[in-house]
Amino acid sequence: ETGVTQSPTHLIKTRGQQVTLRCSSQSGHNTVSWYQQALGQGPQFIFQYYREEENGRGNFPPRFSGLQFPNYSSELNVNALELDDSALYLCASSLVGGGQETQYFGPGTRLLVL
Amino acid sequence: AQSVTQLDSHVSVSEGTPVLLRCNYSSSYSPSLFWYVQHPNKGLQLLLKYTSAATLVKGINGFEAEFKKSETSFHLTKPSAHMSDAAEYFCVVSDRGRNAGNMLTFGGGTRLMVKP
Repeated sequence: ETGVTQSPTHLIKTRGQQVTLRCSSQSGHNTVSWYQQALGQGPQFIFQYYREEENGRGNFPPRFSGLQFPNYSSELNVNALELDDSALYLCASSLVGGGQETQYFGPGTRLLVL
Repeated sequence: AQSVTQLDSHVSVSEGTPVLLRCNYSSSYSPSLFWYVQHPNKGLQLLLKYTSAATLVKGINGFEAEFKKSETSFHLTKPSAHMSDAAEYFCVVSDRGRNAGNMLTFGGGTRLMVKP
């Protein structure tokens, strides 16, 4: 069984640029959630994708967007990067509807915006 | 709206002594509750979860937590700390989304330090 994987592991961007982060869900899972973890804080929910549609969104602006693909992998896109977007971005996958909705996390992508 | 309060930002114990990490939650529904652990520069690992079955939940690495509805608490304990337990611990409550999904609300975290 393959766990949740994320790429890249680290990324450096400058203000105003755009970034795409990728996540492959755990085998057998159909839902992907994205979280932002600023330094010294707990993760904050960005959004969740289920059956290729957004299934709930946290308090993040529209420049944070996402996709889910038929194989349940997902992308997080952030436009017009700001310094405060520097954080660890975590992806989690789960199986909705199968009675096992526990979210399993990937190792994260650390984004630094200069 | 759901929220989680971890009552201690830092806890320091000696190796071999008990661990207690405190968590209180607020939820409009019957919550699912979790504890996750995060080692430095790593992702989050599930320690244990409560989903309305037994109120005393056993997890990995000797950890357990007790759900107390009357106190809205879900404290994490371990009888004897090991050096490898040093990490950041997060108490988490689950909120159900539109299509039976679940969104997690995290507490601020408790950093556990273990002294030799």
